[in-house]
Amino acid sequence: SQELEQSPQSLIVQEGKNLTINCTSSKTLYGLYWYKQKYGEGLIFLMMLQKGGEEKSHEKITAKLDEKKQQSSLHITASQPSHAGIYLCGAGATGNQFYFGTGTSLTVIP
Amino acid sequence: KAGVTQTPRYLIKTRGQQVTLSCSPISGHRSVSWYQQTPGQGLQFLFEYFSETQRNKGNFPGRFSGRQFSNSRSEMNVSTLELGDSALYLCASSQGPRTSNQPQHFGDGTRLSIL
Repeated sequence: SQELEQSPQSLIVQEGKNLTINCTSSKTLYGLYWYKQKYGEGLIFLMMLQKGGEEKSHEKITAKLDEKKQQSSLHITASQPSHAGIYLCGAGATGNQFYFGTGTSLTVIP
Repeated sequence: KAGVTQTPRYLIKTRGQQVTLSCSPISGHRSVSWYQQTPGQGLQFLFEYFSETQRNKGNFPGRFSGRQFSNSRSEMNVSTLELGDSALYLCASSQGPRTSNQPQHFGDGTRLSIL
């Protein structure tokens, strides 16, 4: 079973549209991380959220961690082709564990 | 500041051989973690080294091993290669242990293909 579930699994949007990716856990998360990956390459760190209710933004990407620290969302405003890739969430858990989500593949059509 | 460097970028081996992958972390980072990424299984944790000690291990057979040197560089070894070992192997480094609320920074990976 997956500790972190992401939805949707894949997303195809027209350039300029807004979109949201969700990351959900059945357990309390200790530090929630968002990464972006281009096919065949490493993961690029985007943002880290630690406190319930926390929200961070970088350029046109905003991430939020809900109050109970069991769900996070990543929102992209006015998407561009450069936003295309695979988005993964990762989180710490009890017992020195760290999990990654299943990933969301984003395609932006010019 | 240089990022995480993994060598080689691509590797082709045959079944039964062994392979060693190398990872140089960001300067000052003491934790190095290794992951295997495949289309079917996604990103799976192999092991983490912190200050030359294996801190955590994922659910992989003993054919997968690693070590960390005093300069924090790490190597991963896979013996008796199997077709199913074909994957992208990613290394990540962080200042503290990977569960210490410090982000991991990834290298570009080594693409291992087994024939």
